[in-house]
Amino acid sequence: DIQVTQSPSTLSASVGDTVIIICRASESVRSWLAWYQQKPGKAPNLLIYKASSLASGVPSRFSGSGSGTEFTLTISGLQPDDFATYYCQQYNSYSTFTFGPGTKVEIK
Amino acid sequence: EVQLVESGGGLVQPGGSLRLSCAASGFTFSNSWMTWVRQAPGKGPEWVANIKTDGSENYYVASVKGRFTISRDNAKNTLYLQMSSLRDDDTAVYYCAKGGDVPAPWGQGTLVTVSS
Repeated sequence: DIQVTQSPSTLSASVGDTVIIICRASESVRSWLAWYQQKPGKAPNLLIYKASSLASGVPSRFSGSGSGTEFTLTISGLQPDDFATYYCQQYNSYSTFTFGPGTKVEIK
Repeated sequence: EVQLVESGGGLVQPGGSLRLSCAASGFTFSNSWMTWVRQAPGKGPEWVANIKTDGSENYYVASVKGRFTISRDNAKNTLYLQMSSLRDDDTAVYYCAKGGDVPAPWGQGTLVTVSS
């Protein structure tokens, strides 16, 4: 099965900062990678799919890049609403649609 | 607007069974793959299973194969997850979601607690 890791596990940042979250897969998932945002007590919300495509209604300060085994989620100009936990998910092959362990973005 | 409402969660003893339901509205259910995802307390999400539009294909994570069955009733716009031989590590919030590979959006979830 494809394993997915994220770094860092926690990130402290201030409003206006640019933050970068890294997601790595244990083998190539081509561009089949998505990013989700989750706030406490709520279901995850899709931000990015196919590595770099912005989901409908998602602000343009969110961007994704990468292919193969290394991917990044960038938030340019962090807003108060962005403090949350972020997960990547690979969907390269059925039965191994794995999520990463998450990156919590905290207020510095 | 897409709406997904899960139900059927609760407390069950190890080895027991439970059936979750997900009522869908706001989109053409019969044209959409559907997915179940679960999230244990304090953990990241775990993809559980998905099912094709007409129910002819389905896929499961290894840890639930042979114990869980995903199904759907397109006439009732409802997705199901039949869970049996439940174990402590099946304790989680279970979400249904529209889509087969990139699930979105998700419902609000239903909590399943497996404990004696």
